[in-house]
Order: sequence, then C-alpha cells, then structure tokens
Amino acid sequence: AQSVTQPDIHITVSEGASLELRCNYSYGATPYLFWYVQSPGQGLQLLLKYFSGDTLVQGIKGFEAEFKRSQSSFNLRKPSVHWSDAAEYFCAVGESFGNEKLTFGTGTRLTIIP
Amino acid sequence: DGGITQSPKYLFRKEGQNVTLSCEQNLNHDAMYWYRQDPGQGLRLIYYSQIVNDFQKGDIAEGYSVSREKKESFPLTVTSAQKNPTAFYLCASRSSGTQETQYFGPGTRLLVL
Repeated sequence: AQSVTQPDIHITVSEGASLELRCNYSYGATPYLFWYVQSPGQGLQLLLKYFSGDTLVQGIKGFEAEFKRSQSSFNLRKPSVHWSDAAEYFCAVGESFGNEKLTFGTGTRLTIIP
Repeated sequence: DGGITQSPKYLFRKEGQNVTLSCEQNLNHDAMYWYRQDPGQGLRLIYYSQIVNDFQKGDIAEGYSVSREKKESFPLTVTSAQKNPTAFYLCASRSSGTQETQYFGPGTRLLVL
C-alpha cells in the first residue's frame, strides 16, 4: 500500500526567508505526486503536481517541487516566503493506474514570523 | 461559476441521530470522493465513486453511507454507528481519465452535541 510521510509537523520561518517542506512517499510504481495547501477552516487548494517528465515542477504562488526517485522524495520549496503563506501543507501520492486514489501525509503547519 | 459546494458549513448531531452532508459539483466530473480530516492525521478516504450508481469503500467506511444517483451529487450520511463523528469532512471531485487532479470543496465541520 502506498504511504506518505511528512516528517515536520510544524515549521516556523521568518518572512522573506527560504522554505523547504519535506515529503517522502512509498509506492511500488512511478507515483503521481501532489502538494495541496489549506487555510484554517477551508478546503484544500492544489499548489502543484507531478505526473511524469521534468522532475522539477512549478506551481502557483511561487512554489516549486522536485521529484527525486532515488530518495522517494517530493520536497516543496519557495525562495522567499510571504506572511500570506502561513497555512497547512499536505503532500499526497496518487495511484498511477485505475481509480487514482490519493493517500495524504499528516501535514506540515507553516508559521511565518515578521 | 464552476466548483464544488458543500453544505452546511457547520452541522450538529445528537446522540443516535443520522445526519447527511451535501456535496454538489458542476464541473462535469465523473469521480467524487469523501474524506475525513482530524487534527494531526491528515485526510482519510471514506468513500469514493467513479461513476453514477456505483461507489466503493475507502479506508474508514464504517459508520458512513453514501449514494450516487446523479453525476453532480454525492451525499454522505453519518450514521449513529459512527461513534466518533466529530471531524472536518471534505468532498472532492476529479475528471475521468489518467493524470487528472482532485479538486476540493470548502468542507463541513460536524460537531456532536
């Protein structure tokens, strides 16, 4: 069965600093990978996705992620965070066949300090 | 304006009561999903449906039921058999085919009185 690990429950960064959120997955084939963001009490918004091809993917709001097969990782990065980036971030892995169910990590809460 | 709507935003359940959460989409998506979100546990799949009149259990289906009579609607009933229903419930939908993305509604928070 597929699984996702987000090792950091909570991260605090200063506004303007760089950010990297970690995601490791377990899946037997080439995975479909996603990053979603959730503001308090809201639904999830897609930041970016990887299906195939270029392993560095660009998303909305200046985020990017890199798929590294050898490390089973799909870390999310942003060169300079803004106070509006404070939210919870979820990594998910999808089945690359059939019904493409998603399995989510437990999330990383991001706090931005001035 | 296309999207996924969930209602109500907040729902209160009394002991022994069944309650139904609504999920509607006008994206013409074939597949729809229900997730439960608890603090520190991420999202867990309750039920999903890939086509009208068909649905499958997810990882935590016990105490829940669904129906899919129309393409645009996928209501979730939380039955009295669900002993710990307090959670945030999220509905999602996805177009058919491969390499498609799930899009999420705004969620319903269910509280037990």
